[in-house]
Amino acid sequence: GQQLNQSPQSMFIQEGEDVSMNCTSSSIFNTWLWYKQDPGEGPVLLIALYKAGELTSNGRLTAQFGITRKDSFLNISASIPSDVGIYFCAGLMGGGADGLTFGKGTHLIIQP
Amino acid sequence: GAVVSQHPSRVICKSGTSVKIECRSLDFQATTMFWYRQFPKQSLMLMATSNEGSKATYEQGVEKDKFLINHASLTLSTLTVTSAHPEDSSFYICSAPRVGGYTFGSGTRLTVV
Repeated sequence: GQQLNQSPQSMFIQEGEDVSMNCTSSSIFNTWLWYKQDPGEGPVLLIALYKAGELTSNGRLTAQFGITRKDSFLNISASIPSDVGIYFCAGLMGGGADGLTFGKGTHLIIQP
Repeated sequence: GAVVSQHPSRVICKSGTSVKIECRSLDFQATTMFWYRQFPKQSLMLMATSNEGSKATYEQGVEKDKFLINHASLTLSTLTVTSAHPEDSSFYICSAPRVGGYTFGSGTRLTVV
């Protein structure tokens, strides 16, 4: 199936640093979602974006829905140890009757 | 908030046997449930979509006779992996659409030996 191009694949950063990751697609999506997945668990929703150009924050997390509707980014400011995990972008082309298309994930590793 | 309860969290079965995975919506009615599969260090791939009261739809390449889906009520969807083989070992996750985003179950780690 179709996948989103998510980068970087992994990040090694120091605690306190800011993090940025993004997803791009050749197709237009109506909704962009960002999830975090801990080992052995299901993804947990971080931020949902519904409009092109929308910029939304959730605590230290900020995400934007690209103007072209083909991309999105997620920023994490002042990273802390519990931010470690795998972050996935997910796009939805239609409505609630469609499953999500996921990026390949960004593995965030934080060095104390 | 909306919770999807998935069981079992881990299962080990012998090759050739069948395994049933359940997903229940605890505080809402899920007319649709999506089933994903995730291999180690890879992304989630949509396998099938179950709809309450009708046949499930399967993504290309997913065998409907091997992965039986039942969505008999508005709060329960099940995935049965029939005649499991080692290559079916994976992390299976269900998800239901909700206002504000999709809610995921906690996943089932299937190991076929």
